[in-house]
Amino acid sequence: EPEVTQTPSHQVTQMGQEVILRCVPISNHLYFYWYRQILGQKVEFLVSFYNNEISEKSEIFDDQFSVERPDGSNFTLKIRSTKLEDSAMYFCASSAEQGTRAQPQHFGDGTRLSIL
Amino acid sequence: QKEVEQNSGPLSVPEGAIASLNCTYSDRGSQSFFWYRQYSGKSPELIMSIYSNGDKEDGRFTAQLNKASQYVSLLIRDSQPSDSATYLCAHQWGASKIIFGSGTRLSIRP
Repeated sequence: EPEVTQTPSHQVTQMGQEVILRCVPISNHLYFYWYRQILGQKVEFLVSFYNNEISEKSEIFDDQFSVERPDGSNFTLKIRSTKLEDSAMYFCASSAEQGTRAQPQHFGDGTRLSIL
Repeated sequence: QKEVEQNSGPLSVPEGAIASLNCTYSDRGSQSFFWYRQYSGKSPELIMSIYSNGDKEDGRFTAQLNKASQYVSLLIRDSQPSDSATYLCAHQWGASKIIFGSGTRLSIRP
């Protein structure tokens, strides 16, 4: 069964450094998302991406964050200058073309980001 | 704010019994509802999607939706130890973000 793949599985970075998290969505999916989950807390939406542009973003997704689809397969999340509170699991998700009802989002295994 | 409320648990159910998980949501305009299962340290895994009032069954799982009461539930029949996990209720508006609840921890005791 097709799946969303994320790399790396664990990223350790010094505070203030830039980090790029990578995702390969399911190949025929058109909608892409990033979520994060701080340890012990709920899964929170960061950003959605469709047709090569951001379609929605949360208040968490400030100027330090950016997303990109540099080619036909990868979808990346960049954090420009990491802070301690950016430590979390980051999940990429994708979904198929949306019709009259929302198509379920399928999640990757996540990247655990640890900021020192 | 489009909130989703769940009892955090833990909910302890004997093996072989029915586990009942409940969820309420605040956004009357929501059309799509999902149940995800999340094992500790892992990603959310889709179990069920439901869009219309009533019941939807898939194997040992039954999702129930009542839009008038803004209520979604998940029943797990013949509970197995492998069902022990956190169950996330979620809803989605169109093609936009999923709003997750905090999850209910389910423990199946042998």
